[in-house]
Amino acid sequence: EAGVAQSPRYKIIEKRQSVAFWCNPISGHATLYWYQQILGQGPKLLIQFQNNGVVDDSQLPKDRFSAERLKGVDSTLKIQPAKLEDSAVYLCASSVTSGSYNEQFFGPGTRLTVL
Amino acid sequence: TQLLEQSPQFLSIQEGENLTVYCNSSSVFSSLQWYRQEPGEGPVLLVTVVTGGEVKKLKRLTFQFGDARKDSSLHITAAQPGDTGLYLCAGALNAGNMLTFGGGTRLMVKP
Repeated sequence: EAGVAQSPRYKIIEKRQSVAFWCNPISGHATLYWYQQILGQGPKLLIQFQNNGVVDDSQLPKDRFSAERLKGVDSTLKIQPAKLEDSAVYLCASSVTSGSYNEQFFGPGTRLTVL
Repeated sequence: TQLLEQSPQFLSIQEGENLTVYCNSSSVFSSLQWYRQEPGEGPVLLVTVVTGGEVKKLKRLTFQFGDARKDSSLHITAAQPGDTGLYLCAGALNAGNMLTFGGGTRLMVKP
């Protein structure tokens, strides 16, 4: 079974530029998550989708971050404009359905460096 | 202040030693999970505990959920270099709720 795919793996941009990350979850997984992991910290949930609807985006900085999951499969996370403090690894995860007892499967992440 | 505090933050030990990692909170969790993350990869689930006082074993790893469901521990017996990695605990305040991760414990096991 293929795992969660993310691209690109690395991205370096200058502050105020825009960037987009792509995630393809495990086939059949209804729930998709985007996390931000700053160096030395644990992942922080940015947004959770159930199919193509948003379940929780309370920690998403909506003035600069946006995410969508068209057709309930792939998802993109965009930052516009980027700030220095956005430098982090952005992890995508998926699970069969929502619920804390469900195992979340993580992708390898995209490491973003903002200069 | 993080909802879940992990200690220690860093641990460097020799192969064959035992160690315990702690995950503490003032909140009660409906469930708690432990993940291991290696450099350049995403976290991988090790175990989920849901009942207060529950103990689960995974080979040389023993996980315990506190009686009050506010804390958890991970004990590794006879650590090996392959155990090196970032250990993360993550809790859910309610079933169906999102996970909150602790800051992690970075373990290095030297041969």
